[in-house]
This record gives sequence, structure tokens and C-alpha cells, in this order.
Amino acid sequence: DAGVIQSPRHEVTEMGQEVTLRCKPISGHDYLFWYRQTMMRGLELLIYFNNNVPIDDSGMPEDRFSAKMPNASFSTLKIQPSEPRDSAVYFCASSLDVLITDTQYFGPGTRLTVL
Amino acid sequence: DAKTTQPPSMDCAEGRAANLPCNHSTISGNEYVYWYRQIHSQGPQYIIHGLKNNETNEMASLIITEDRKSSTLILPHATLRDTAVYYCIVLYSSNTGKLIFGQGTTLQVKP
Repeated sequence: DAGVIQSPRHEVTEMGQEVTLRCKPISGHDYLFWYRQTMMRGLELLIYFNNNVPIDDSGMPEDRFSAKMPNASFSTLKIQPSEPRDSAVYFCASSLDVLITDTQYFGPGTRLTVL
Repeated sequence: DAKTTQPPSMDCAEGRAANLPCNHSTISGNEYVYWYRQIHSQGPQYIIHGLKNNETNEMASLIITEDRKSSTLILPHATLRDTAVYYCIVLYSSNTGKLIFGQGTTLQVKP
């Protein structure tokens, strides 16, 4: 398996623009997680899905952020409108289950820069 | 979930064992200790986890004290490629799988 795939790897945009980050989880994994990493706040969980349904979005910073999972092999994280403080590395991860023995597999991340 | 405390940084000589400590003094009986690491510019990578007993896999060993208030991750023969930030995380057994990352320990393996 190719692992978790994220695109784009780098994104530079201007404040106010819409940004869409994409993730393809490992085939057969029922759980998908979106994280954000900054120097100030470290790695934070934004939202996670189980079988394409959002389960916990308590980490989503504000209404400008939205995430969808239209099918088992694709998820998007959208920021509209983007702001400079959204600059960060965004990671997607997937896991077979959330039983204690299952681990999360992370993608390579998308580095977002909002000017 | 219990909070963890780790030293911010450590050095290790290449080829020697790297021992990374983690304090989790408020851990409860159903909480597991997980270790992940993040090599620069990459996503975090699972290393090992345990509940009470010591664990070993192809990457590392995990030593958990009898009172479970602390643990040590051991990389038996550190290489330059083991230079990374190491995160110790405590997860409740019925946890949703939400990983709460702290600041971790930056391990620098030196030649």
C-alpha cells in the first residue's frame, strides 16, 4: 500500500482565498484524522471521521474550517477564507479502528503558507 | 487522559542506546502508554505501546515502571536516522483514538 496520500505537498496562497487540502487514507481503514502542526501549538487534532461520518470536530478552530469525507477513499479540509494565522503543516492520518491496539498512520503533510 | 512530561531535548552517540524518559504520574489503570516519533518534515510514526508489561518490537523497547508512573523508550543502537522528536502519549482504553501530542523530546544522535 502507498500509505496515506496528501495533496498538495505545499500550498502558498493569499489571505482571503479558499484553500482545499486533500487526503486519501490507506485502503480499508475506517478512521480518518486531520491534524494541524504549528511551532506555537504543536500537533493538534482538528477532526476525525469514522466510516465517512464526522465524529468529533471539537478541534476545528472556527467556522472558516470545514472537512468532508464523501467516500471511504477521499477527504478534504477546506479553509474559507484563509488567514495568515492558518499557516501550518496539516497532516492526515488513518487507522483501521480506534481500538487501543490500532495505530494511526500519518501522511507526509501539506505545508500551507497564507500571505 | 493523563498528562505526560518529557525532557525537551537529549543527545546520544551513534551506536549507543538512547533512553528516553516519560513521566505520567497521573496515569490510571486503563490507560496505555504510546510512543510516536516525528522525523523532520515527515508525519509522526508509531513506535510502540504498552499497558503494564515491558514491550519490545523491531524498533524499540518500552520499559514501564511497576507503579506505571513513568516509562522509558529504549532505542538499542541509535543511528543518525533516529534523530527526531519523540512523543510519549497516554491513551484511555476506550479512547476514541484521539492522540494528544505534547512537546516531546528532541533526540539528536551524533556521530
